Amino acid sequence: NAGVTQTPKFQVLKTGQSMTLQCAQDMNHEYMSWYRQDPGMGLRLIHYSVGAGITDQGEVPNGYNVSRSTTEDFPLRLLSAAPSQTSVYFCASRPTGINQPQHFGDGTRLSIL
Amino acid sequence: GESVGLHLPTLSVQEGDNSIINCAYSNSASDYFIWYKQESGKGPQFIIDIRSNMDKRQGQRVTVLLNKTVKHLSLQIAATQPGDSAVYFCAENLFYGSGGGSNYKLTFGKGTLLTVNP
Repeated sequence: NAGVTQTPKFQVLKTGQSMTLQCAQDMNHEYMSWYRQDPGMGLRLIHYSVGAGITDQGEVPNGYNVSRSTTEDFPLRLLSAAPSQTSVYFCASRPTGINQPQHFGDGTRLSIL
Repeated sequence: GESVGLHLPTLSVQEGDNSIINCAYSNSASDYFIWYKQESGKGPQFIIDIRSNMDKRQGQRVTVLLNKTVKHLSLQIAATQPGDSAVYFCAENLFYGSGGGSNYKLTFGKGTLLTVNP
């Protein structure tokens, strides 16, 4: 199994551009989520999904959209990139049920100029 | 709001020594705790977890201790190796609502950088 796969690994955007960060998992996990990681801060939840067709906001959702049309895929869309969105983005998945650890991808390093 | 913190932002040890990484949590209702390892350029990697009804759990060369009285969590790494050099995060999980395990809040600490000297 590949686990959680994120693409691209690196991206540079200009302010105002839009793009989609891809995330796919092959573990048949129902729960998927997106985090951003910034220096001096812990991982912060952007959006999450408890299953296909169901998404919800995390603690820092502004400027991002998500959709979940399949169990495997959970793309994150930046609608109009801003320098404040420069960060490392991690996608994670976990099985349903309580007390289950999340499994992370290797991240997308995004710079907004 | 709730927070998870780390007592030591950096830790340097000699190869072969034991390492102890500490973490404080503030929500006494948190019911599940996880330790992650993050190497440079990689995503967090699950190491070990512990439920709130346990005090200790052991894995391969790692032990997690939970002290609910003082809301303290620690990760012990035995015979630390250069490959253990990384940032280590603790995370606390607060389950709320009912059914399905889908209603929970996972809060991450900022991390401790462990450096293993050969």
